[in-house]
This record gives sequence, structure tokens and C-alpha cells, in this order.
Amino acid sequence: AQSVAQPEDQVNVAEGNPLTVKCTYSVSGNPYLFWYVQYPNRGLQFLLKYITGDNLVKGSYGFEAEFNKSQTSFHLKKPSALVSDSALYFCAVRDPGGSQGNLIFGKGTKLSVKP
Amino acid sequence: NAGVTQTPKFQVLKTGQSMTLQCAQDMNHEYMSWYRQDPGMGLRLIHYSVGAGITDQGEVPNGYNVSRSTTEDFPLRLLSAAPSQTSVYFCASSYDNQFTSTDTQYFGPGTRLTVL
Repeated sequence: AQSVAQPEDQVNVAEGNPLTVKCTYSVSGNPYLFWYVQYPNRGLQFLLKYITGDNLVKGSYGFEAEFNKSQTSFHLKKPSALVSDSALYFCAVRDPGGSQGNLIFGKGTKLSVKP
Repeated sequence: NAGVTQTPKFQVLKTGQSMTLQCAQDMNHEYMSWYRQDPGMGLRLIHYSVGAGITDQGEVPNGYNVSRSTTEDFPLRLLSAAPSQTSVYFCASSYDNQFTSTDTQYFGPGTRLTVL
């Protein structure tokens, strides 16, 4: 069965420092991977996705993510965090080879960036 | 484009009451879905639709009904509200209805429902 794990409930970083939000996945075939961000009292906003090709994917607001097939990971990164990056981040996966191709979401990681 | 819109933004129900959460999109998207978001559990799929007249169950369908009479609208009905249905509900849509789609899903702002 397809699944997504976000091992950290919360990540704390200081403004200006690099940040990483971790995501690992389990699918039977080649995955489609997504990152979404949710600001307080708002819906989810798309950040980036990996479908195929270059393992390093660049997205909105300076975020990027690295697909690592051997480690089944898709960690979200940003070189220099901003206070405004504080939000809830969700990793999601779709297994195009599976019988049900809906998105499966992780539980979310709360990112807190302090000045 | 207004994107994905949801009404109401907030709702309080008593146990046993019924209501409909509205969702509409103006992007001519084929695929629409409903999720519920609970603390520590991420988003869980309730129902989805790959086009007008076609709906199917997701991970947590019990207690909810949907219909898709038009491409634009995808209402979610709570038949007899229970406290366990207290949650934030999100509607989402995407252009392609294929399971293998690489499409991005677009989310509405959410409806915060409390059942007493």
C-alpha cells in the first residue's frame, strides 16, 4: 500500500539558516511526489512536484526538494529561512501504477522560523 | 478565476442535524475531491469525482454523501452529524481525471465544522 511519512511533527530554525523538512514514501512503482504548504486558516497551496527527470526540483518561494530513489525520500529544503515561511507543510504521493491513484498525504510538519 | 470556493467558512451543528458543504470551481476541472483535516492526521480523502455523474469513495466515506451533477459543483452532505465529524473540510480540484495524472490539485479555503 502506498504511504507517506513525515517523521517530524515540528521543525524549528532561526531566520537565515537553512531548513529541511523530511518526507519518505512507500509506493509500488515510480512515485509522483508533491509538497504543499498551509498557512494559518488557509487552504493548501502547491509548492513543487517531482514527476521525472532531474532529482532536484525547484518550486515556489525559494523552496526546492531532492528526490532520492534509493532512500525513498523527498525532503523539502530552503537555503535561507524566513519568518514568513512559518507554516504547516505536507508531503503527498501518488502511485501512477497503483489501483487507486489519489493523492496520499503525510501528517504534516509544522515549521517555525524564529527571528 | 475565483479558483475553488467553499461555503460556509464556519458552521456549528448539533448531533443528528444534516447539512451540505458547498464546493465550486470555475477552472473546468474534471477531478474534484473532498478531504478532512484533523490534528496529527494530515488530510484524509472522503469522496472524489472524476467527472460529472461519477463519484467514488475515498479513505473515510462513512457518514458523507456526494453528487456531481455539473462539472463546476461538488457538494458534500452530512446525513446525520456526529461529534466525530468535527473537522476542517477541504475541497480540491485538478484538470485531469486520470489516476496517472501529474496534475497539481488546487484547494479551497476550507470549512471549519463543529458538531456539538
